[in-house]
Amino acid sequence: ETGVTQTPRHLVMGMTNKKSLKCEQHLGHNAMYWYKQSAKKPLELMFVYNFKEQTENNSVPSRFSPECPNSSHLFLHLHTLQPEDSALYLCASSQLRDQGSNEQFFGPGTRLTVL
Amino acid sequence: GNSVTQMEGPVTLSEEAFLTINCTYTATGYPSLFWYVQYPGEGLQLLLKATKADDKGSNKGFEATYRKETTSFHLEKGSVQVSDSAVYFCALSRIQGAQKLVFGQGTRLTINP
Repeated sequence: ETGVTQTPRHLVMGMTNKKSLKCEQHLGHNAMYWYKQSAKKPLELMFVYNFKEQTENNSVPSRFSPECPNSSHLFLHLHTLQPEDSALYLCASSQLRDQGSNEQFFGPGTRLTVL
Repeated sequence: GNSVTQMEGPVTLSEEAFLTINCTYTATGYPSLFWYVQYPGEGLQLLLKATKADDKGSNKGFEATYRKETTSFHLEKGSVQVSDSAVYFCALSRIQGAQKLVFGQGTRLTINP
C-alpha cells in the first residue's frame, strides 16, 4: 500500500465518451502529478499541481483536463480521446521542501483503452 | 537539459545471477538520483535513492552508488530471485524544491528459475 489510490483501475471508452480518472493521496503531501506511460516510451509527465495550483502543463492536448480541488485529490477529465491515448495513467504525490530529495509516491495506475 | 540513459533491455538472467543495470545522467547542478521498480500490473515503487555524491542507496539487496565523476548510478544485486522480475527505472530530480523527476526509458528484467 503506497498511500496513493487511483480509480478506476481499468477503463474502456469510445472516442466520443467523457470519463474521469480519480487519484487520492493519504500521505499529507502538497504536490500531485499525472504521468502517461505508453508502451516502449519513457514516462511522460503531463501535469503538476503544487498546493492545488497547476505549475506545469507539458504541452498536453486539451482533450485532457486536470482538476485539483484540494491537496489530497486529483482528477483527469477525458473527452474526445483518440486510440493513441490508450496507456497507463499514473498519479503520484510528493512533499515539496526547499532542501532534500523530491521523492514521489505513485498510485497503481489506470489502464485506459480507447476504442 | 537534464536526461537519464539506461541500458536497453530486456535483460534475462537465471536465478542467483549477479545483476547490473547501467544508468548515466546529464544534469546541471547536483541532482538526487533514484531507482524505481514496476512489478507487473502495478504502479512505480521507490526502490532506493541517493541525494549526494558517493552516497550509496540500498534496499532489498539492491545497491546503487552516486558517482559524480562518471555521472552514473548503476543498479546492482548480488543474487537475483524470480520475484525481482519487473521493469526498473532510473530517475533524477534536482535538489532545492524541484518538482520534476526525469526518468530513463526503463529496463525490463526477467529472472528464470
